Amino acid sequence: GQQLNQSPQSMFIQEGEDVSMNCTSSSIFNTWLWYKQDPGEGPVLLIALYKAGELTSNGRLTAQFGITRKDSFLNISASIPSDVGIYFCAGQEETSGSRLTFGEGTQLTVNP
Amino acid sequence: DTAVSQTPKYLVTQMGNDKSIKCEQNLGHDTMYWYKQDSKKFLKIMFSYNNKELIINETVPNRFSPKSPDKAHLNLHINSLELGDSAVYFCASSRGQGWDNEQFFGPGTRLTVL
Repeated sequence: GQQLNQSPQSMFIQEGEDVSMNCTSSSIFNTWLWYKQDPGEGPVLLIALYKAGELTSNGRLTAQFGITRKDSFLNISASIPSDVGIYFCAGQEETSGSRLTFGEGTQLTVNP
Repeated sequence: DTAVSQTPKYLVTQMGNDKSIKCEQNLGHDTMYWYKQDSKKFLKIMFSYNNKELIINETVPNRFSPKSPDKAHLNLHINSLELGDSAVYFCASSRGQGWDNEQFFGPGTRLTVL
């Protein structure tokens, strides 16, 4: 089935630094979503993108839906310790209805 | 108020046993899902129901049987548990089954099969 390539797999940064992660796919997606998962919890939706080229912000987070509809990135600015967690991209293909395909996740560690 | 809740949070059991995990959502959503997250944190969809009707059934052993008594509940029953079933199982819901419907996840059930 469709796979989403998410990179990097892990990041270790200092508090205050900016972070960038991205996802690519081999097929066209109608929707790109970015989730964050804290330890022992379920994924929580951060940003949803529905149009090619769309750039959306949520506080210190910014995400973009790639113009080719095959990629998306998430930026976190001025990271803080509570940004620690696993960030997942997820997408819905044109023909898959509500079926979500997830990336492999980016484990973010922020050192105070 | 918890939007998507699951019980139990932790489940430890012996190989060969049968167990159930329950999920409830109070969001008024029509569509519910079960996902499996393996030890490498990879999330994969297992099943989806829309208004109590099965709409997605991935390649999952038939030892796994979902049941939706009403559109607010989706339970997962697992027969003859195997070691490889150990994982975290997440329930999720969305307003509908279109591509523009965001999915909301429960807190997960960590299943350990000994």
